[in-house]
This record gives sequence, structure tokens and C-alpha cells, in this order.
Amino acid sequence: EAQVTQNPRYLITVTGKKLTVTCSQNMNHEYMSWYRQDPGLGLRQIYYSMNVEVTDKGDVPEGYKVSRKEKRNFPLILESPSPNQTSLYFCASRLTGGVVGETQYFGPGTRLLVL
Amino acid sequence: GENVGLHLPTLSVQEGDNSIINCAYSNSASDYFIWYKQESGKGPQFIIDIRSNMDKRQGQRVTVLLNKTVKHLSLQIAATQPGDSAVYFCAENIAGTYKYIFGTGTRLKVLA
Repeated sequence: EAQVTQNPRYLITVTGKKLTVTCSQNMNHEYMSWYRQDPGLGLRQIYYSMNVEVTDKGDVPEGYKVSRKEKRNFPLILESPSPNQTSLYFCASRLTGGVVGETQYFGPGTRLLVL
Repeated sequence: GENVGLHLPTLSVQEGDNSIINCAYSNSASDYFIWYKQESGKGPQFIIDIRSNMDKRQGQRVTVLLNKTVKHLSLQIAATQPGDSAVYFCAENIAGTYKYIFGTGTRLKVLA
């Protein structure tokens, strides 16, 4: 089944404790991205990747890191999480890495609580 | 399930009726638009898309209308079913960029 998977689905952590949320897609998509979803706000893009080893900042990159060493994986790293990073996170992918309008396919989400 | 929006506008419709969900998009340079459905506890699910060179596009039970003059997008769902209950939001892609802008959504409630 074609899908985007994320792990973990739920995570409670404490301020300052480094964490990684994994994202993997099995559709051979070039483009992958991370979003956060907060009440009253639309999805906001954190980082995106056009292809292996090519990443760029989205609208809210502060406090996050990403890497794209393999086409299928795009982990999100919080080096020193803070309470304002408590949110619902979604990974997404789409077929091509170019600047063309294409739909993105989303993972199931990771709910993060930073105490 | 989680709250994707605490104060989302809500549309309540009777089962079997047609639903119309509206979206005002923000950027006149956007040339690609998408409607997503998000059920409680799940990620956004693609419903239908439309490019700016079209005014209307139809799918199975869904139709998207685009009015570029007033920057308005609508999603019509025919013969609404209980399984259609969810939050619906639109997204726009600014031409020539990787930027997508997402709306906050409308909650659709289907009354039996």
C-alpha cells in the first residue's frame, strides 16, 4: 500500500531532551515536507526537501532540523525541544521535486507534548 | 481525537443533501488548488484539485469551483453521507514556488 508513515504517533517529552520523529514514504517521491498543525491555524511548513541531500526552510523552521540522506526517509529533529513546539506534526510527500503544483500525500501525524 | 481547530466554522447538513464548503484563498499568484479532508485522528486526505486555467472540476460526488476574480474556491459534495463528516480545508500553491498556504478549515457535520 502506497503510504507515508510516521513514528512515533504520540510522544511526551521534557524541555531540552533531543528527539527525532521519523518519516518514510514508499512511493518513490522526490519531494517531502514537514508541517505543524496548531488550533486555529492552517498547516504551517517547517522544512521541505526537493530531493536527496537538498533541503530548505519553510515558514517556521526555528528549533527544527531535517536531513534527507535517502529518498524514502525525511526525519525531523528537535535538538532542544521547548513547550512552544507542542503540536501535531505531519510529514507529506509528492511525486516530483520541481516547482510544479502537485498534491501532497500526508502521513497520519505525530502528536508531541513538550513539558 | 485531536482538535485541529478550536473554533472552526461548522456546516451542518442533512444526510442526502448537498454540501457546499467555501474557501477564500490569499494569493493572486497561486495557480494550483487542493481540497483536503481531515478526519479526527488522521492526516489530511486528498479529495480533488484544480489548476488556475480551469473554473470547474468534477470527481466522484465532489465538484470544485474556482473563481479567480474574487479569489474564491468552493467544494460541493453531492448526496452527503455520514462518512463525509470531517474537517475540510483548502490549500493553494503559489506559482513557481514550493510554498503551499493552507486554510484553517470548515467542520462538516452530517445529520442522520
